[in-house]
Amino acid sequence: GAGVSQSPSNKVTEKGKDVELRCDPISGHTALYWYRQSLGQGLEFLIYFQGNSAPDKSGLPSDRFSAERTGGSVSTLTIQRTQQEDSAVYLCASSAPSGTSYSRYAGELFFGEGSRLTVL
Amino acid sequence: AQSVAQPEDQVNVAEGNPLTVKCTYSVSGNPYLFWYVQYPNRGLQFLLKYITGDNLVKGSYGFEAEFNKSQTSFHLKKPSALVSDSALYFCAVRDMSWGDYKLSFGAGTTVTVRA
Repeated sequence: GAGVSQSPSNKVTEKGKDVELRCDPISGHTALYWYRQSLGQGLEFLIYFQGNSAPDKSGLPSDRFSAERTGGSVSTLTIQRTQQEDSAVYLCASSAPSGTSYSRYAGELFFGEGSRLTVL
Repeated sequence: AQSVAQPEDQVNVAEGNPLTVKCTYSVSGNPYLFWYVQYPNRGLQFLLKYITGDNLVKGSYGFEAEFNKSQTSFHLKKPSALVSDSALYFCAVRDMSWGDYKLSFGAGTTVTVRA
């Protein structure tokens, strides 16, 4: 697609349930990021994937959070045993690889519209 | 380590007046600096960036920003604000000297432009 696609756009779940959030990055983008935006807060870095390298999981808030990226494209963020404090908008972004053909977009992240998670 | 500060939670201006949204940053190496805008219930949209070169960068929708290395600032400006500029604005930084790929964001500034 033309942009980063995220699904679902809205998810309401009960405390203790597991949820999966999906991100389909821009074709050809090798880097993929997950951020979390809580109400009235800035963006909190969660995890970063770059090509076939091991992901940087340093931003994941607890071991209930995990993410994978299959085939270097689509990514899934999984939250197990959801808690009310997990309620937030989860934003996915992708960026182009470095190199002359992408130099115009150097460093720029392209964001999806986010998945709004509400835990009751 | 890298960080961004947006000292104002809210900025209110009248339509037609100049708009300034402040941002200061901290990096150990050379910064890549960005401004993004977020409209209600939408994702973040790229406005402009500073990588190298001219300190004054121009972006989308008539916005511009000035990189000031001595003051470690990257304030966003628009000479004449529109009601449609009302949104949440984020400043972000990447420390490229160390190949740091994380984009660290400020807490955001809510801009309200009144008619």
